[in-house]
Amino acid sequence: GAGVSQSPRYKVTKRGQDVTLRCDPISSHATLYWYQQALGQGPEFLTYFNYEAQPDKSGLPSDRFSAERPEGSISTLTIQRTEQRDSAMYRCASSLRSGTGELFFGEGSRLTVL
Amino acid sequence: AQSVTQLGSHVSVSEGALVLLRCNYSSSVPPYLFWYVQYPNQGLQLLLKYTTGATLVKGINGFEAEFKKSETSFHLTKPSAHMSDAAEYFCAVMDTGRRALTFGSGTRLQVQP
Repeated sequence: GAGVSQSPRYKVTKRGQDVTLRCDPISSHATLYWYQQALGQGPEFLTYFNYEAQPDKSGLPSDRFSAERPEGSISTLTIQRTEQRDSAMYRCASSLRSGTGELFFGEGSRLTVL
Repeated sequence: AQSVTQLGSHVSVSEGALVLLRCNYSSSVPPYLFWYVQYPNQGLQLLLKYTTGATLVKGINGFEAEFKKSETSFHLTKPSAHMSDAAEYFCAVMDTGRRALTFGSGTRLQVQP
């Protein structure tokens, strides 16, 4: 697509439920990033993909978090058994390739866990 | 690992006044440095970047930043603030290990009429 698209924009869930967030990157971009941004903080790295490969998932805070990009385009971020501390803005970004620092961000998905 | 520190979570200036947003970095290798801007209800967008070469880099909307190795700084400036500059600004450094950006905590710029 023309820009990075994320859905849903807002998600409210109860503690213990699973949540899946979706990201549709710019179509020509090889690299896709997921960041978590708490209120009043900068985005924090979670993981990234080069096409379907996931070279680094060291930023995922626990094994409840997982991400995939099976066909090298759309990606999903899944949080299992959500906890209140998972409440944050989840930002997806894409770039032509990794290591350039020139990221194009979506508008984010705001997750609230009650 | 590389990191950045942004001094001042909120900065308020008058329209037409100088804008100065501070960023200091920590890096054991020559850093790649960036400024991103986030307008309300939008995603972050790249304002400018420094990789190598000229230490004064110019970005969009009249902003510029100077890389000063001796001071480990990359402060963002604009000679004359406009109301439309009100936004949150993030400094970032390329984490060469992860090949991903590490962001500062952000500075919210308020422009008073």
